[in-house]
Amino acid sequence: SQQGEEDPQALSIQEGENATMNCSYKTSINNLQWYRQNSGRGLVHLILIRSNEREKHSGRLRVTLDTSKKSSSLLITASRAADTASYFCATVLSGGYNKLIFGAGTRLAVHP
Amino acid sequence: GAVVSQHPSWVICKSGTSVKIECRSLDFQATTMFWYRQFPKQSLMLMATSNEGSKATYEQGVEKDKFLINHASLTLSTLTVTSAHPEDSSFYICSARDGTGAGNREQYFGPGTRLTVT
Repeated sequence: SQQGEEDPQALSIQEGENATMNCSYKTSINNLQWYRQNSGRGLVHLILIRSNEREKHSGRLRVTLDTSKKSSSLLITASRAADTASYFCATVLSGGYNKLIFGAGTRLAVHP
Repeated sequence: GAVVSQHPSWVICKSGTSVKIECRSLDFQATTMFWYRQFPKQSLMLMATSNEGSKATYEQGVEKDKFLINHASLTLSTLTVTSAHPEDSSFYICSARDGTGAGNREQYFGPGTRLTVT
């Protein structure tokens, strides 16, 4: 089962522009993670934000988390053609084996 | 960083045959491994969670007799797709969680195995 929805489903921008992707989820979480996947490849972990954190930065990435709205956003600043990929949010549900449940993903295309 | 490998990276098999996919944690012990399936242009769907030395826990709608999971050691989990059909063609990805330490432990993903059933 999928936990969350992401929007937009697809995003096309020019190099140098910022890209913002949003993720919403349904149940209480321990943390939320963002992953990147190049076409036909495995996943690369980008950033993890805990449920008691509101914002986190890593290089050109900025992630926010609003637990009251059950939503998160990923901002990529000064995008590059190499950022072209699919981006997924994933939530770790409370309890159990800490399963990761993935959102639907956003396909980002950055044009030179 | 932690590395997870999968073998094979791609496989083509005939309908009705069985295919085994291996997932290995190369430099850490993985008490828990997860198997996901991903159809083209879709997200990852969790199929099952496996713990070393115990039976796997399958997600709703996943046939445990069709997708056999064995987590025989702390570094190896296998997924066997039995009596494969063309609709089983997909990208199968495993992940492994480091069994040491505490807190919000990260999962490390394998590169995936593309299965095509003809």
